[in-house]
Amino acid sequence: GQNIDQPTEMTATEGAIVQINCTYQTSGFNGLFWYQQHAGEAPTFLSYNVLDGLEEKGRFSSFLSRSKGYSYLLLKELQMKDSASYLCAVMDSNYQLIWGAGTKLIIKP
Amino acid sequence: DGGITQSPKYLFRKEGQNVTLSCEQNLNHDAMYWYRQDPGQGLRLIYYSQIVNDFQKGDIAEGYSVSREKKESFPLTVTSAQKNPTAFYLCASSNNPGHSTGELFFGEGSRLTVL
Repeated sequence: GQNIDQPTEMTATEGAIVQINCTYQTSGFNGLFWYQQHAGEAPTFLSYNVLDGLEEKGRFSSFLSRSKGYSYLLLKELQMKDSASYLCAVMDSNYQLIWGAGTKLIIKP
Repeated sequence: DGGITQSPKYLFRKEGQNVTLSCEQNLNHDAMYWYRQDPGQGLRLIYYSQIVNDFQKGDIAEGYSVSREKKESFPLTVTSAQKNPTAFYLCASSNNPGHSTGELFFGEGSRLTVL
């Protein structure tokens, strides 16, 4: 079966760095997405990786290793507004998205 | 501004009633999707449509129906046959893969509660 695993909840301190991991087992691979979702709101797109390596976008970076079925989202200089759930999703060989359950990130002052 | 509009934002339904959730997009996207989100679970695909007048069942289509008569509109009907309809429903659209990264653009969501 297809599976996406990510931690349920993480806690970090304002101004610090946090890494959210995602491992996947899917039927084929056409890219991995990270979305941010604040409570009660719609998810918003953060990043897309289809090749191995690190993609940097401001305070957020996303890494992919296809051979290991592994990705992480790195958030630097954490701000209180970064408190949200972070969803990992993989596009399979049929171009369908398989979603993880999300990681709830709690930022403390 | 371009985007996706879902309505209503909140909806209460009595058991045995059908309800229809509206989803409209002005992004000129070909593909549209309906997802259901429950606490502690990933998004689950209900139905999707890649072109007007065509749609496909997702992983949890039972008890739901859709139509795609116009490119801009993809309404979802939650029927009385859906045994556990209380959930947060998300509509999304995208350009088809091959034309872009396939990034999804989401509406604000509709929270349905069955009384």
